[in-house]
Amino acid sequence: DAKTTQPPSMDCAEGRAANLPCNHSTISGNEYVYWYRQIHSQGPQYIIHGLKNNETNEMASLIITEDRKSSTLILPHATLRDTAVYYCIVRVKNYGGSQGNLIFGKGTKLSVKP
Amino acid sequence: KAGVTQTPRYLIKTRGQQVTLSCSPISGHRSVSWYQQTPGQGLQFLFEYFSETQRNKGNFPGRFSGRQFSNSRSEMNVSTLELGDSALYLCASSPRHPTDTQYFGPGTRLTVL
Repeated sequence: DAKTTQPPSMDCAEGRAANLPCNHSTISGNEYVYWYRQIHSQGPQYIIHGLKNNETNEMASLIITEDRKSSTLILPHATLRDTAVYYCIVRVKNYGGSQGNLIFGKGTKLSVKP
Repeated sequence: KAGVTQTPRYLIKTRGQQVTLSCSPISGHRSVSWYQQTPGQGLQFLFEYFSETQRNKGNFPGRFSGRQFSNSRSEMNVSTLELGDSALYLCASSPRHPTDTQYFGPGTRLTVL
């Protein structure tokens, strides 16, 4: 089962920031938070990941709470093309014996409206 | 760099047939993972390969199999197709190890009639 909880759907106005929350209260110390999105019938697209510090790239920002039990993905200026299902996933990231498979939950369907 | 490529993109088969799907990872990536996506079950892990070895397998019947070649390209095979095998099959590659960030291909849409 997925280790994360996300709201099933959210709306956002075009041009505004989209803030997508994720709860991961049972996260372990060596687990990272990953975000992917899937636009209808396409392969999931990697967005960003982080361990405990806030992260930013050209697509989004990831804010992780100090206790690491929750995080927020921020799309600073949402466009219609950001309409997609967003998945928050926690997983280890090491070269030991850990398994690499991503466990997807149901994600959040973000609808960006004009 | 070119992304992950999957062939074919669309496929129609009938029950009882078998099918082989192909995945070419991002150049230089060594690990490949496969996932199945259906409306009812969502995205589910099939198997992962690293250095031509299957490292992990999801909860799928033995009709689902795969392999990885020395150039890191991978194939998956489904034998004795059932209607429920209709799905989007996704391949993801990662640079060195399955626990690295995975980058997905566009998928192969399989329809079983």
